[in-house]
Amino acid sequence: DGGITQSPKYLFRKEGQNVTLSCEQNLNHDAMYWYRQDPGQGLRLIYYSQIVNDFQKGDIAEGYSVSREKKESFPLTVTSAQKNPTAFYLCASSPYPDRGYEAFFGQGTRLTVV
Amino acid sequence: AQSVTQLGSHVSVSEGALVLLRCNYSSSVPPYLFWYVQYPNQGLQLLLKYTSAATLVKGINGFEAEFKKSETSFHLTKPSAHMSDAAEYFCAVSDAGGTGFQKLVFGTGTRLLVSP
Repeated sequence: DGGITQSPKYLFRKEGQNVTLSCEQNLNHDAMYWYRQDPGQGLRLIYYSQIVNDFQKGDIAEGYSVSREKKESFPLTVTSAQKNPTAFYLCASSPYPDRGYEAFFGQGTRLTVV
Repeated sequence: AQSVTQLGSHVSVSEGALVLLRCNYSSSVPPYLFWYVQYPNQGLQLLLKYTSAATLVKGINGFEAEFKKSETSFHLTKPSAHMSDAAEYFCAVSDAGGTGFQKLVFGTGTRLLVSP
């Protein structure tokens, strides 16, 4: 089945620790996105990529980093610089980075700081 | 930059009643608009999208939305609510900025509650 796989589903981070969230897609999509979801705030864009080895900061990139070494993979690292990382993280992809193409979403990773 | 506003963080209806979820957009160019649904602890699923074809767009699960340029609105409706419709609904607009690269900008969401 084609789709987007995010792992793990639940992740716990200690203070000062970096963690990496995995996102893999087998849809052959060019564009990939990371969104953060907090209650009452909708989805906010962290990073996006339209092609391998290229990515751009979104609206809330501080404290996060990404890589796009392969077309199907777009991992997100939450660094210790992110002061409030507890949230639900959603990865998405789109066939082309042009307007009008909907994004397809993974099932999300819930990150909690302990 | 493009944006959307969803009026009402929570909407409650009885099973069988009309569902109306409101979305207004702001866009300097003809917009592309989307409605997504999210069930608890899951990702988002596309309900329908408007890409400048017919102004009345039909989606999955009996939902539809009407694009009204004069009102800058794209409200989501369903004639008869079902218990399984209880979820959070997000309106989104496509924002290409100056790069031509699409980013979806989401509203803050509306939680639909359906009572028996």
